[in-house]
Amino acid sequence: GAGVSQSPRYKVAKRGQDVALRCDPISGHVSLFWYQQALGQGPEFLTYFQNEAQLDKSGLPSDRFFAERPEGSVSTLKIQRTQQEDSAVYLCASSPTRITNNEQFFGPGTRLTVL
Amino acid sequence: ELKVEQNPLFLSMQEGKNYTIYCNYSTTSDRLYWYRQDPGKSLESLFVLLSNGAVKQEGRLMASLDTKARLSTLHITAAVHDLSATYFCAVDKNAGGTSYGKLTFGQGTILTVHP
Repeated sequence: GAGVSQSPRYKVAKRGQDVALRCDPISGHVSLFWYQQALGQGPEFLTYFQNEAQLDKSGLPSDRFFAERPEGSVSTLKIQRTQQEDSAVYLCASSPTRITNNEQFFGPGTRLTVL
Repeated sequence: ELKVEQNPLFLSMQEGKNYTIYCNYSTTSDRLYWYRQDPGKSLESLFVLLSNGAVKQEGRLMASLDTKARLSTLHITAAVHDLSATYFCAVDKNAGGTSYGKLTFGQGTILTVHP
């Protein structure tokens, strides 16, 4: 049984580069979340999808951050013109339904380092 | 704005001892989650607490929720080395009052169990 998978697991980018981070949720999961976890901190919410609809993007730190889930399954988080402060682990989580009594299942994360 | 605070942030325990981690949150919610994170790994769901007075136990860990006091506790009984990890509580509450799984995490408690 596959869990949530993310790729790449590690990404090193030069400042100013664009990056794309992929999330494959558990098959059939309706809800998908992206979180950002800085070193030594708890994860912070970035954005939420219900199927293909992005219903909440209030946590995206700037307009350089963009997320999509065009077919309601795989999601991509894109960061344009990366900055050093974008260095963090980006976690994806999925949940079976939009009813929130189901816990979220987290992927292994993508560790982004911006030089 | 929802704030979630854990204490202590660092906990060094001897094997065999008992201790409690506290999680306070600032606004009404009846959905609280506990996660475990090992170094360099993603988050593993431990407990989902969905109502006032909820108590769940798994092995040496027991979690409870008091929604009136806006407090959850994670109690560790007879600690063993394998419990060494970072523990996060997370509250599910959207600013508009509806809930769909948007989690606000505490800062995490780094637990070290030594002989």
